[in-house]
Amino acid sequence: DTGVSQNPRHKITKRGQNVTFRCDPISEHNRLYWYRQTLGQGPEFLTYFQNEAQLEKSRLLSDRFSAERPKGSFSTLEIQRTEQGDSAMYLCASSLSSGTTGTDTQYFGPGTRLTVL
Amino acid sequence: AQSVSQHNHHVILSEAASLELGCNYSYGGTVNLFWYVQYPGQHLQLLLKYFSGDPLVKGIKGFEAEFIKSKFSFNLRKPSVQWSDTAEYFCAVSANYGGSQGNLIFGKGTKLSVKP
Repeated sequence: DTGVSQNPRHKITKRGQNVTFRCDPISEHNRLYWYRQTLGQGPEFLTYFQNEAQLEKSRLLSDRFSAERPKGSFSTLEIQRTEQGDSAMYLCASSLSSGTTGTDTQYFGPGTRLTVL
Repeated sequence: AQSVSQHNHHVILSEAASLELGCNYSYGGTVNLFWYVQYPGQHLQLLLKYFSGDPLVKGIKGFEAEFIKSKFSFNLRKPSVQWSDTAEYFCAVSANYGGSQGNLIFGKGTKLSVKP
């Protein structure tokens, strides 16, 4: 169990550029979540995958955001035409379905800190 | 909509003092409750969780939390804090119903500083 990994750890970009982040969950974990955390706030849910299917998206996830999880393994989160308001820590978490809704333990990665200049 | 409130933004204690961090949630249905901790420079880690049964749950490092359904609260406690408990603590809930996907709703967090 090597834990959830995220790359890159830091990303600085100029407004209007596209960025892509990667998350590698704990192997065998079938659920994967993306969250965003801004300064002074707790993490906010963005989207959720069960295996390769994206099952839920928050209204925070504008049409400039897209996430994929091909083959149910790693996931990518892409932000197109970045804005300064996108500056935040982007967190990935994974869990193994226990069969009972909401009782999984989510294991978090270290996050990718995005700075949009 | 569900929400989580953490009463204290920053708590400063001396070593050996007792700790209680407040957490209240708003949701009318059944919830699952969590406390996560983030030590300086590290990622979020689970401290403890409550799904059902005994409302007093024990977690790692001597922490415990009590679920009081009538008060919609899930306060975190530790009888005697150590300098190594300096961290940010987040309370989180997930709804427990058929359509829920288990995403967590977090509070804003409480920073705990323990003076040696």
